[in-house]
Amino acid sequence: QKEVEQNSGPLSVPEGAIASLNCTYSDRGSQSFFWYRQYSGKSPELIMFIYSNGDKEDGRFTAQLNKASQYVSLLIRDSQPSDSATYLCAVNRDDKIIFGKGTRLHILP
Amino acid sequence: DAGVIQSPRHEVTEMGQEVTLRCKPISGHDYLFWYRQTMMRGLELLIYFNNNVPIDDSGMPEDRFSAKMPNASFSTLKIQPSEPRDSAVYFCASSQWTGDRTEAFFGQGTRLTVV
Repeated sequence: QKEVEQNSGPLSVPEGAIASLNCTYSDRGSQSFFWYRQYSGKSPELIMFIYSNGDKEDGRFTAQLNKASQYVSLLIRDSQPSDSATYLCAVNRDDKIIFGKGTRLHILP
Repeated sequence: DAGVIQSPRHEVTEMGQEVTLRCKPISGHDYLFWYRQTMMRGLELLIYFNNNVPIDDSGMPEDRFSAKMPNASFSTLKIQPSEPRDSAVYFCASSQWTGDRTEAFFGQGTRLTVV
């Protein structure tokens, strides 16, 4: 079992709808959780981080964490074509930052 | 700050040659990570340093790979000898420990092609 698992997609969502991205992790010692966005040919950039159970909102983005289920999700409201990218889930365990393989998101105009 | 700086941006080399990738982390950051990204395997952590000391190199695929961090502002990843399966994008990232929010900032990557 990989330490961080994501559905590779592609996930296709109509413009204006809500995109829901999911991630599970295997190590209960994981301390904090990140969502990075990576455009094709570019480097990953941080869009959200969360370390407490529950929801965290930042603009159109909401991160959700459930440590009991070892589950992290990212919701993107009012999806825009510019949100089309690969979204990488990452966990920080003892200062070691481990990434999932990413989910490709395609927003349909 | 200019961010994490990697060089070269692109490298094409022949199988068997030595390749050296370079990274300058963000000033003041105490962690440095080397990752390799391929379509098949995603973004894999190769090695990371804390205060210039290698902490975990369990992701380094073979003895052909080595990494050094001689000072707080410079790190290298060396592949000797290189093989076609080493072709990938190599990212360097740095971070500063801030407890729960120890996020990694990435360089622009080095695209390595071994022919």
